[in-house]
Amino acid sequence: ETGVTQTPRHLVMGMTNKKSLKCEQHLGHNAMYWYKQSAKKPLELMFVYNFKEQTENNSVPSRFSPECPNSSHLFLHLHTLQPEDSALYLCASSQPDRVFNYEQYFGPGTRLTVT
Amino acid sequence: SQKIEQNSEALNIQEGKTATLTCNYTNYSPAYLQWYRQDPGRGPVFLLLIRENEKEKRKERLKVTFDTTLKQSLFHITASQPADSATYLCALDGANSGGYQKVTFGTGTKLQVIP
Repeated sequence: ETGVTQTPRHLVMGMTNKKSLKCEQHLGHNAMYWYKQSAKKPLELMFVYNFKEQTENNSVPSRFSPECPNSSHLFLHLHTLQPEDSALYLCASSQPDRVFNYEQYFGPGTRLTVT
Repeated sequence: SQKIEQNSEALNIQEGKTATLTCNYTNYSPAYLQWYRQDPGRGPVFLLLIRENEKEKRKERLKVTFDTTLKQSLFHITASQPADSATYLCALDGANSGGYQKVTFGTGTKLQVIP
């Protein structure tokens, strides 16, 4: 276990549904990230939160809406998704201001299928 | 734009041999480079980090080299075992800015170690 949990592990939703992905980290890190991983493509950084403040949004469509209520929890709210949004959604955390500690800790991911 | 290429999508080697994976990048000056391992259906797991001023880093059977002139990193697994079979991801980070990271990942190389 990496100390980062994600729920649900699998999600099937229709294009008109609204659902949320949840991530929790038990590592005391200040930075949390959402990545999208599609087949044959590299991990794409979607959002970054640092001390609960959003610091990066990599031109992600508004049908994806992140929320970070505290430094341990991160949500990704989904609505009106498209079939091409089907992918593995990964949450990660890190504490890069610790000396010599730049690794990211990933959760197991949520496999999302949009029908 | 920044681009990371990992030498091949898949690499098959015989157990006991040394596996060598390549990561090339363009339009980028990373402060450090990381290698991660990803098993099917799971999130990436950090393996090694090497800084721009380091030529080589070792950890048990793993060795990473970093040539900023060639813009290339090599990742070696010596005495490979079937348990080493996984996808290996190269990742570049420009700098630790403001307590979080913007990491760019490659598409990965799927390594299969044949008994």
